[in-house]
Amino acid sequence: AQTVTQSQPEMSVQEAETVTLSCTYDTSESNYYLFWYKQPPSRQMILVIRQEAYKQQNATENRFSVNFQKAAKSFSLKISDSQLGDTAMYFCALRSGSEKLVFGKGTKLTVNP
Amino acid sequence: GAGVSQSPSNKVTEKGKDVELRCDPISGHTALYWYRQRLGQGLEFLIYFQGNSAPDKSGLPSDRFSAERTGESVSTLTIQRTQQEDSAVYLCASSLVLGATDTQYFGPGTRLTVL
Repeated sequence: AQTVTQSQPEMSVQEAETVTLSCTYDTSESNYYLFWYKQPPSRQMILVIRQEAYKQQNATENRFSVNFQKAAKSFSLKISDSQLGDTAMYFCALRSGSEKLVFGKGTKLTVNP
Repeated sequence: GAGVSQSPSNKVTEKGKDVELRCDPISGHTALYWYRQRLGQGLEFLIYFQGNSAPDKSGLPSDRFSAERTGESVSTLTIQRTQQEDSAVYLCASSLVLGATDTQYFGPGTRLTVL
């Protein structure tokens, strides 16, 4: 079975500072993909960043980067220079050997002015 | 279209009534997915379509749930004899092709409230 665990239900950060959201996962597949999605109050799930498990280099998208530790099955998201618009629920998701995405329960991030 | 759209945005219904939720995927996307998100929870996979075919329906919570897709575009999720436990946000996503490499793009969801 595939599982995704986000151990931080809520986090907060000051504007312009850096925050890291944690995610661990479990899968028996050797080839898989990991994702971070952002869900603002509008409910629209927005892809933030994705990582292919076979790639050793950590993915980066502007202010968003990941720390992918394959042996530890860890996939954390770092947000640099946090902005008020980053306030949202963040979901970690796994896709391996199947068509479905398996999601964690999410971390509610609040960026304070 | 520019993105995945879903209708209605919100639906309030009485216990025991049937409801139909609609999803319009991004034009040209062959794969379509339905998820359910209960309050304070992550997304729970329900069903996917490759074209008009749904090879695996095991994610549907009960036989009250059904889904179909026509013309490789619009999909409808039908819930019969709704129960209060069906209250949730139902999210639809589409991707260009079916495969782990392809990104799923989500719609804004339908919030279903069963009284």
